Amino acid sequence: QVQLKETGPDLVQPTQTLSLTCTVSGFSLKNYPMTWVRQSPGNGLEWLGMMWAGGDTAYNSALKSRLRITWDSSKSHFYLKLDSLQTDDTAIYFCARGVDFSTYALVYWGQGLMVTVSS
Amino acid sequence: DVQMTQSPYNLAASPGESISINCKASKSISKYLAWYQEKPGKANKLLIYDGSTLQSGIPSRFSGSRSGTDFTLTIRGLEPEDFGLYYCQQHNEFPFTFGSGTKLEIK
Repeated sequence: QVQLKETGPDLVQPTQTLSLTCTVSGFSLKNYPMTWVRQSPGNGLEWLGMMWAGGDTAYNSALKSRLRITWDSSKSHFYLKLDSLQTDDTAIYFCARGVDFSTYALVYWGQGLMVTVSS
Repeated sequence: DVQMTQSPYNLAASPGESISINCKASKSISKYLAWYQEKPGKANKLLIYDGSTLQSGIPSRFSGSRSGTDFTLTIRGLEPEDFGLYYCQQHNEFPFTFGSGTKLEIK
């Protein structure tokens, strides 16, 4: 059974770095593209970036200079780091898996983690 | 970025009825559009991808179609569990942008 779960802090101060972990089970990160998405009242659903099974990444250019996506397939962990947080980074953060190696629609999603950026 | 214009914003319908939700891309995205359902307390569900491919396990009352840059999600014979939020997403060009959502409510 495929499962994804996001973990990390629920409150982060402005200017700090957000580090999130997506722990997956039921499949190998080596075989599927993985994506981070966030959802906020002001911006709706926003695609943040993805990593292919081979390790290549693609980022939303609106965040590119602040965002880093990595993984550790041995731990079944998929990571997000977002630097220089601002209040408008407050959102629910989701990790999701692609349909297959070359199909990037998101077939499995985590439940999401609400992150608030506030002092 | 590709802008996805989704309509209507709200939609009220009764069980058994058929409805359509539309998404228009600001430029060509070929066939690469996905439709998702969002319900409280549940993980988002992929319904359709590549414009018209029904995701495994999704009932056949859901269908997707394309005409150029216009995409339509149709639900024929609404069931009570179909009510919720629906989003489109283009998965052709980075960043993979989403529509603003359609809330499908019970009339």
